[in-house]
Amino acid sequence: KQEVTQIPAALSVPEGENLVLNCSFTDSAIYNLQWFRQDPGKGLTSLLLIQSSQREQTSGRLNASLDKSSGRSTLYIAASQPGDSATYLCAVKMGAHNDMRFGAGTRLTVKP
Amino acid sequence: GAVVSQHPSRVICKSGTSVKIECRSLDFQATTMFWYRQFPKKSLMLMATSNEGSKATYEQGVEKDKFLINHASLTLSTLTVTSAHPEDSSFYICSASGKTGNTIYFGEGSWLTVV
Repeated sequence: KQEVTQIPAALSVPEGENLVLNCSFTDSAIYNLQWFRQDPGKGLTSLLLIQSSQREQTSGRLNASLDKSSGRSTLYIAASQPGDSATYLCAVKMGAHNDMRFGAGTRLTVKP
Repeated sequence: GAVVSQHPSRVICKSGTSVKIECRSLDFQATTMFWYRQFPKKSLMLMATSNEGSKATYEQGVEKDKFLINHASLTLSTLTVTSAHPEDSSFYICSASGKTGNTIYFGEGSWLTVV
């Protein structure tokens, strides 16, 4: 059974810092991996989707990498801002019509 | 882009009553819909998978008679929490995928409070 782990569980940084969030998964035969942002009491906002054949995806200040063979993905946030404060969730999909399996998330706080 | 709409966003119901949550795909045909539950400060846990026109497949530990899922059309799935109890209070979120299944789109979620 696929297990998704996110480290750290919580992170607090001063504004302007670059930071890395980690995600690991036990079964490397994934279809794709997706990073989401969740604000308190809200739904999910998709940030980046990486297909199994891809190594990374970039959007603005965000960069996500995927090393499928080692079962790892990282989300890099450059020049963090207070507005980046949220919970970041990593999720993997095992097949085209499968559900997504989520990690427990990393709660990020960026202090002004 | 594709949009999945969930309704209601918040609902309060009395213990023992039933409540229905709707999940609609607005601009694509959702052949598969997924229902998740999220407890405070916890991650999303899959409850069930529903395919249009067939019975939902429930995850282990999820009571199918308590959480009724209907996926009668390619644009609508409903989750009915029957005989709700305070411990059913949670954030419920649906997602939907089309024929290719490549991308899953999530609804905005529904907060259920049972008093």
